[in-house]
Order: sequence, then structure tokens, then C-alpha cells
Amino acid sequence: EAGVAQSPRYKIIEKRQSVAFWCNPISGHATLYWYQQILGQGPKLLIQFQNNGVVDDSQLPKDRFSAERLKGVDSTLKIQPAKLEDSAVYLCASSPEMGTEAFFGQGTRLTVV
Amino acid sequence: AQSVSQHNHHVILSEAASLELGCNYSYGGTVNLFWYVQYPGQHLQLLLKYFSGDPLVKGIKGFEAEFIKSKFSFNLRKPSVQWSDTAEYFCAVRLNTGGFKTIFGAGTRLFVKA
Repeated sequence: EAGVAQSPRYKIIEKRQSVAFWCNPISGHATLYWYQQILGQGPKLLIQFQNNGVVDDSQLPKDRFSAERLKGVDSTLKIQPAKLEDSAVYLCASSPEMGTEAFFGQGTRLTVV
Repeated sequence: AQSVSQHNHHVILSEAASLELGCNYSYGGTVNLFWYVQYPGQHLQLLLKYFSGDPLVKGIKGFEAEFIKSKFSFNLRKPSVQWSDTAEYFCAVRLNTGGFKTIFGAGTRLFVKA
């Protein structure tokens, strides 16, 4: 079974630039999550989708971050404009349904300089 | 606010030593509990989980964890660690409300000396 795919693996941008990350969940998984993991901390949920609807985006900095999952399959997370404090690993995860085990991708390591 | 605390940020053990990593959470409702492991250069993987039933759960690679509801704890244990257990370990708590929000602890970095 193919796992959660994320790209790119690494990205370096200057502050105030924009960046986008892509995630393809495991086939058939209805729930998709984006997490931010800052160095030395645990993953923090940014947004959770159930199919193409948003379930929880309470911790998403909406002035600069946006995410979509238009067809209920793959998803993109965008940051515009980026700040230095956005440097982190961005993890995508998926699960068959809410309340079931989540499977994580490798993550995208973002460095903002 | 709900939170998850992992007591040790860094642990160094020799091979064959016993391991116990602490995890406490603050939430009064029903929860599901998880331990994830991240080996160097790899993605987060589920080590074990507790949903209901026997509070002592066994996971992969000889790990186990015990849910003590009265203490809001879910400590991870392994009787004898190996060099290959060197990794970062994350405790996670899922709140059984609405969207099943999952909160992660800050992680414990384990280094096992050969």
C-alpha cells in the first residue's frame, strides 16, 4: 500500500516570498491533516479536512496560510507571505475516517531566510 | 486548554537497559491515546494505541504502554532497549469530541548506546 506522499521534501525561501506544499493521501482516506512541527516541538495541527470540507482550522494563521482539498483527494498548503518563524517541517497525514489511526508522510522541511 | 506533557526531552540509555517514557495529558473527557516513533530520516510511525478495554497495550518491537485514567497518564515502556530503538518518541492524545482533535507532546529523543 502506498503511503502519504508529500512534495517537495525541502524548500528554502526568503521571507515575504510565497510557498506551496502538496500532499497526496493514502487512497480512500477521507480525513486529511496538515501539521506544523517546529524544531524541538511536537506536531501542531493546522487544518483537518473530512473529504473536501474543513473540520478544524482553529490553529491555522489565516492571514498568511491557506489550504484546500478541492476534490477531496490531494491537498495543497500555501504560505503567503512567509515569515522567519514559519521555518518548520510541514507534515501531512491521512486516516480512513475521523477517529481512526493517522498515517504520516515524510514531511516538507521549510527554511525561511 | 488541553495539553500533553512528556517528562523527558532527552534520554540516553545503554543497550539492554529498561525504558520508561512518561506522558501526561490534561483533558477530562474520553480520549484515545497513541505513541508514535520517528526514526532518523523517516516519517512518524504508530508504535501503539489505546482506544478502550485492557489499559495495558502492546505495540510493535516489544513496546508496551499503560493507561492510568486516574493519573491521566500513558507511559511507554520497554524491558530491554536496543541500539535500533534510537529515535524520537511522541505521545499523542485524541479528544473524542467533534473532529477528534489530536494533540501531540513535545517528544522525547532517545539515544541508545551500543
